[in-house]
Amino acid sequence: AQSVTQLGSHVSVSEGALVLLRCNYSSSVPPYLFWYVQYPNQGLQLLLKYTSAATLVKGINGFEAEFKKSETSFHLTKPSAHMSDAAEYFCAVSDGGLRAAGNKLTFGGGTRVLVKP
Amino acid sequence: NAGVTQTPKFQVLKTGQSMTLQCAQDMNHEYMSWYRQDPGMGLRLIHYSVGAGITDQGEVPNGYNVSRSTTEDFPLRLLSAAPSQTSVYFCASSTLTGTGEAFFGQGTRLTVV
Repeated sequence: AQSVTQLGSHVSVSEGALVLLRCNYSSSVPPYLFWYVQYPNQGLQLLLKYTSAATLVKGINGFEAEFKKSETSFHLTKPSAHMSDAAEYFCAVSDGGLRAAGNKLTFGGGTRVLVKP
Repeated sequence: NAGVTQTPKFQVLKTGQSMTLQCAQDMNHEYMSWYRQDPGMGLRLIHYSVGAGITDQGEVPNGYNVSRSTTEDFPLRLLSAAPSQTSVYFCASSTLTGTGEAFFGQGTRLTVV
């Protein structure tokens, strides 16, 4: 069975500061990993995905994440926060070894980011 | 590009009422799924389908039914709504093979009183 743990349900950062959102996963097979963002009253939008190619993945809006197999982690970072980054962020895993990447996702509990001016 | 379309966006039901949440996608994706989102719990899989005529249960299927008569549509039915089903519901679709991600609808916010 897969699982995802996101450390911190709420994170507060100052505008211009580093954004770091932590995600640890468990999977019995090599995983596909995703970060999604949800703006208020909207659906989920893909930020980036890891599908066993490069371990450092660059996404939209200046975000990137690094897959570390030894640490079973996929932390999300952005060097300089912007007010528009205020949203909820979800890490998700699918067992890519058995099925397609977008199938049967397991989500973490989410991290809500507040950006202070 | 419409992508994944969910209707309605908001709904209030009384306990015991039934309703159907609609989901349609225009990307010819074989795989479709329903999730519910509750605070602090992320999204949890309710039901999924790998193609027309094929459905299966996810993590939290109790109280929900689905059917898949066409590739495009995947409705979610609540036969007798309960307050515990108050949640935000998301429909998603993706390919059945490869590394493509899931695409999500805008969600349906359901309140059961």
